[in-house]
Parts: sequence; C-alpha cells; structure tokens
Amino acid sequence: DTEVTQTPKHLVMGMTNKKSLKCEQHMGHRAMYWYKQKAKKPPELMFVYSYEKLSINESVPSRFSPECPNSSLLNLHLHALQPEDSALYLCASTSSAGQGGYGYTFGSGTRLTVV
Amino acid sequence: AQSVAQPEDQVNVAEGNPLTVKCTYSVSGNPYLFWYVQYPNRGLQFLLKYITGDNLVKGSYGFEAEFNKSQTSFHLKKPSALVSDSALYFCAVRDITTDSWGKLQFGAGTQVVVTP
Repeated sequence: DTEVTQTPKHLVMGMTNKKSLKCEQHMGHRAMYWYKQKAKKPPELMFVYSYEKLSINESVPSRFSPECPNSSLLNLHLHALQPEDSALYLCASTSSAGQGGYGYTFGSGTRLTVV
Repeated sequence: AQSVAQPEDQVNVAEGNPLTVKCTYSVSGNPYLFWYVQYPNRGLQFLLKYITGDNLVKGSYGFEAEFNKSQTSFHLKKPSALVSDSALYFCAVRDITTDSWGKLQFGAGTQVVVTP
C-alpha cells in the first residue's frame, strides 16, 4: 500500500458544527503532516507529527485540533470554523521527519466548505 | 530560511513542443528539491526529486529536471508536451541542514496550459 487515504473527500459544515478529517497511511511512515491549500495557491503547512508526537504547530488557530492516535492515523478535529477556513486540506507522510529524502506522499485531500 | 521562486504564473505551450517550468531556490544549507503536479480538485502527485548524485533527474510521465547548484535552479522539462500535462505544477524545497521536521517550502505554482 503506497497511498495516503483521506476521508471524507468533501465536507460542508456550519460555523457551529464539530467535524473531523481523517488521514491514514500504511507505509510505515513516522512523519505526518497537515497542509491547507486555497485555490490556485501553494499548500501551507499547519502541523507536523513525528513518531505520533506533535512537533510543529505553525501558529494555527485553536479551532483546528490535530490528533495522532497511532502511527498510521492522523485526524484533524474542526470546531467553530469560519468561512475563510474553506479550503482543500491535504495530508502527507514521509518515512521520518529527519529524512524526507524518500519523498512525501500526499493524499487527495478533503475539500472543506464552511457555511 | 528556505524559499522557492517560480517566476511564471502560467506557461502556454503547443502540444508536441518542449515544456519548461522554471524554479529557483534559496537555502542556507543543502537542499532536497521536489516537483509535484496537481490536477483540478486533486491532491499533489509526485513527479521527481533531487537528493544527491546526478544533476539530471528523471521522473514520472516523461518529465525530467536539472539541478544547477551555481544558479540555484531546478527547472522541470518535458521534451514533448501533451494536452494531458495541463495542470498546476509546484516546486518545493527542504533545507536538510537546518530543518529537522521535514518542512517543505512550496513555490507559488505555475499553471501549464497545453493547447492541441
């Protein structure tokens, strides 16, 4: 299995809702990442998990809450989002944060719309 | 600090003609360099990478890139473009000397339009 699987593919949520995005990989990668991407813009790093521990938080608002329950799974919990949070959320993984020379595998993303 | 510049917002090319997408980078240490392609409403697909070794890197779908340390460039090339190559292309860099967390820095992206 050489894929990063993200679910759901599309999500519409109200500003008072609580929802979660899920990312799963079975490549034995120990570094996992959340990126946010606006249309026609480059991905922006949100969080880095290394060996299931949060290593980097790029000053992301607390309405985004990441979680790494095990080495294969990464969640992004969403609460009280704003319309400007509407974007494509991408998950990525690599063998380990200190390496990266093996490349990064990206999921297909979750298209989030906040109404 | 690391940064990537893609000087062209859009590249237009006729099918069958050579395609070049430009990328220059700035790192304080040694770079890992990557090219990704993104089709509408899709994630990023890996094309190729430079880690070390041969400056000419061959990747997926007939793409190649040349690492030029003196010019700090990593331009993406394809000898004969296809209409299906129309997509958004991102160059990315990681400074392996200063970064311990695998933080990729992406360029702004270049939209490639291949006309029949």
